[in-house]
Amino acid sequence: GEDVEQSLFLSVREGDSSVINCTYTDSSSTYLYWYKQEPGAGLQLLTYIFSNMDMKQDQRLTVLLNKKDKHLSLRIADTQTGDSAIYFCAVVPGSQGNLIFGKGTKLSVKP
Amino acid sequence: GAVVSQHPSWVICKSGTSVKIECRSLDFQATTMFWYRQFPKQSLMLMATSNEGSKATYEQGVEKDKFLINHASLTLSTLTVTSAHPEDSSFYICSADRTSGSYEQYFGPGTRLTVT
Repeated sequence: GEDVEQSLFLSVREGDSSVINCTYTDSSSTYLYWYKQEPGAGLQLLTYIFSNMDMKQDQRLTVLLNKKDKHLSLRIADTQTGDSAIYFCAVVPGSQGNLIFGKGTKLSVKP
Repeated sequence: GAVVSQHPSWVICKSGTSVKIECRSLDFQATTMFWYRQFPKQSLMLMATSNEGSKATYEQGVEKDKFLINHASLTLSTLTVTSAHPEDSSFYICSADRTSGSYEQYFGPGTRLTVT
């Protein structure tokens, strides 16, 4: 089955850019998502990308997709303390309709 | 590791009937549980946040009277779809916070609901 991997922790300074990486195994994955979770809250959809795209930009967020390497990244420009949260990568495998989530990357932003 | 179960894993019901879905944290206590809905090939959408012993907080656009949520204990939350209609057919996923205010949230396997 699909396997989605993320690094568990990332620490950056306020104002720097953050890059969160994700790898997946199913090359037929169709939709790829980034979710944000703040303490005690549910998942919040940040952005998503279709498998026929290489890049998507949405304000401070940039998603890059390398289908050959099955690698997805989320870049947050000008990272703020309010960006501190857990970021989940999730993909929809080609053979299924449900989401497969990574374990999440905890982003800590230091002033 | 922490395990969250859901029951049933799939259910087919007739239009107009009600269906109850259970979400259990098997080896930890969860003060907060979340209910999500996912349409085929689409993203997960948060429906409501359920806190033990208090009323659930529903997201905008989710009908409280249609999707009844009860979180009676630290290991069990239930979602009841009342007077189900075919448009309620979906994949429902719950998740549970391992400890209050922590980042440890675990997802259940989901329940596939089909309303005929």
